[in-house]
Amino acid sequence: DIQLTQSPSFLSASEGDRVTITCRASQGIRSYLAWYQQKPGKAPRLLIYDASTLQSGVPSRFSGSGSGTEFTLTISSLQPEDFATYYCQQVDSYPITFGQGTRLEIK
Amino acid sequence: QVQLVESGGGVVQPGRSLRLSCAASGFSFSSYGMHWVRQAPGKGLEWVAGITYDGYNRYYADSVEGRFTISRDNSKNTLHLQMNSLRDEDTAKYYCAKGNIVGAAGYFDFWGQGTLVTVSS
Repeated sequence: DIQLTQSPSFLSASEGDRVTITCRASQGIRSYLAWYQQKPGKAPRLLIYDASTLQSGVPSRFSGSGSGTEFTLTISSLQPEDFATYYCQQVDSYPITFGQGTRLEIK
Repeated sequence: QVQLVESGGGVVQPGRSLRLSCAASGFSFSSYGMHWVRQAPGKGLEWVAGITYDGYNRYYADSVEGRFTISRDNSKNTLHLQMNSLRDEDTAKYYCAKGNIVGAAGYFDFWGQGTLVTVSS
C-alpha cells in the first residue's frame, strides 16, 4: 500500500500568512494526488486534484504542485475560513490512501 | 444540485451486521464511480471501499476486505455498504463520496454528510 506522510501535522499561522503543507508518498504516484479541506463536523471538500488542478469554486489563493513522491499545497494569504484540517489523497493505485492530516490553527 | 444522503448507521454489537445506504441525486449516478470513506472519532480519513460506475469492479481497504461488501443499484441511484463481523475499530462516521471522472475512479468531488456507526457491547 502507498503511504502518504504530511508535514507538518500541526501548523499555527496568522491571517494573511502564506503557508505550505507537504505530502510525501512512499512510492511514485505520478500526479494522482488531491488535497481536501475539512472543518469540524463537516464533510471534506475537494480543493485540488491531479496535484495542481483547482476544483471549480475553490479560491485561487489555493495552489498545488509536485509529482512523483513530493507534493505541496500552498495557501497564499490565509483567510479566516481557511483554518481547518487538510488531507492529501492518492488515487494512483488501490487501496486509495489519505495522509494523516495537517491541522491549521489561528496563531 | 448533487446530493448524497447516507442512512443506516446506528449502535451495533461486535460481530453483528449493518447495511448502510447512500441515496444519490442531481447527477447521472450510473456514470460515476462511488466510494465509502470513514472517519473514527477525532481521527483522520480512511478510504473503505470503491465501486466502478457499472458495478463490475469493487475495491476494498485491507482492514475491511472479506467483511464488507460495496454494491450499487443504478436503477434506484443508490449505493450500499454491507458490513459484517463488525469490530470495535469499525466505529466511525461513514461518508459516501462521488468520483469526479465519468467511467473512472477519480477523486471525490461530492460527499454526503455521513452516518455514524458505533460498535459496542
